[in-house]
Amino acid sequence: GENVEQHPSTLSVQEGDSAVIKCTYSDSASNYFPWYKQELGKRPQLIIDIRSNVGEKKDQRIAVTLNKTAKHFSLHITETQPEDSAVYFCAAKPPEGSARQLTFGSGTQLTVLP
Amino acid sequence: GAVVSQHPSRVICKSGTSVKIECRSLDFQATTMFWYRQFPKQSLMLMATSNEGSKATYEQGVEKDKFLINHASLTLSTLTVTSAHPEDSSFYICSATSFSYNEQFFGPGTRLTVL
Repeated sequence: GENVEQHPSTLSVQEGDSAVIKCTYSDSASNYFPWYKQELGKRPQLIIDIRSNVGEKKDQRIAVTLNKTAKHFSLHITETQPEDSAVYFCAAKPPEGSARQLTFGSGTQLTVLP
Repeated sequence: GAVVSQHPSRVICKSGTSVKIECRSLDFQATTMFWYRQFPKQSLMLMATSNEGSKATYEQGVEKDKFLINHASLTLSTLTVTSAHPEDSSFYICSATSFSYNEQFFGPGTRLTVL
């Protein structure tokens, strides 16, 4: 099955700096890569996703890049703010089928210091 | 995005009792629902995948007789933790999807505490 590795496990940045979180996946057939933000005790919220036919996607301060050859994808947050502090999870999904499950990375605790 | 609700949001029970958690898709028909367990400061671990009208598929290491999953309709799935023990205390989150979506939509989670 799919295996997703995520680094770093914790990340502290100064407000206004950029944050980068990296993930690698094992199944070359995976074609959908979402990123979730989870605040303490709450549900994961989708913040951005990318499909395998695209190399980069940007939404305001958030961007995701995908390198299919190397099987890794990254989340970039620019101009970080204290409210960006949360746990971020990457995930990978195989092509459509009867079991459309996501495989999650281990998570990154991002702390933005004011 | 689509909305998924979960009930209860928090439950405290005595060891040995059973607890039922409901997951509902409010504005779409969910052909597939997933149940995750999340321990503090850890990732979401998939417990089982359930398709409407069929038996759930459990992940390795998850006891199907202990975690009973029923997906009787396209809008409701239930997880019953039978004979709960303190080690079952965790945050349980469901998610739902359908063939119309690539994305999974998560419920708000249920905090289970077994005394």
